[in-house]
Amino acid sequence: EVQLVESGGGLAQPGGSLRLSCAASGFTFSSYWMTWVRQAPGKGLEWVANINQVATAQYYVDSVKGRFTISRDNAKKSVHLQMNSLRVEDTAVYYCARVGYNGWESQDWGQGTLVTVSS
Amino acid sequence: QSVLTQPPSASGTPGQRVSISCSGSSSNVGSRTVNWYQQLPGTAPKLLIYSDNQRPLGVPDRFSGSKSGTSASLAISGLQSEDEADYYCAAWDDSLIGLVFGGGTKLTVL
Repeated sequence: EVQLVESGGGLAQPGGSLRLSCAASGFTFSSYWMTWVRQAPGKGLEWVANINQVATAQYYVDSVKGRFTISRDNAKKSVHLQMNSLRVEDTAVYYCARVGYNGWESQDWGQGTLVTVSS
Repeated sequence: QSVLTQPPSASGTPGQRVSISCSGSSSNVGSRTVNWYQQLPGTAPKLLIYSDNQRPLGVPDRFSGSKSGTSASLAISGLQSEDEADYYCAAWDDSLIGLVFGGGTKLTVL
């Protein structure tokens, strides 16, 4: 059974930093792209970042470029999102997901971790 | 303002067929496959349709997807109360070099 478990969310001040982690199990982690998607309170889904199997390619939504960094550790079967220079508008539930092979579909999702940016 | 356009709401009665549209452009829906997600209240999204019209294992055949040009649709037949959820379309965008989502459609079963 595929499992994705996010951690690291919490309260941060504007300008602060947080590091999210996602622990994967139940599949060959090193064979899949991974992605982070966020959802602000009461709002829709917004893609944040993707990373390929060997961490040689990363893509980001414009609003987080230069502030967020996606990374992965295939030995530990985990993907991370380092979030710096946080803004109030980064407040959201952050989901990690496994990307399928067909057309960037997010096949499996974690339960999400809440990030709140507030002074 | 989302890159992909969905109606904010849709509704139907049990047993009815409802359809949710997703309008994009040549850089996303027109040239890439569309995926659909279902998000039940208080839960993580779930993949419902991938590659325009394919259902993952376990998704009932009441759910179907289609695409024509720069528009895609999700159809739900034999509507059930448990289908009440938010539905999102998504596709890769070659101009933005990233994944784009629709704004979501809240489906109400009357």
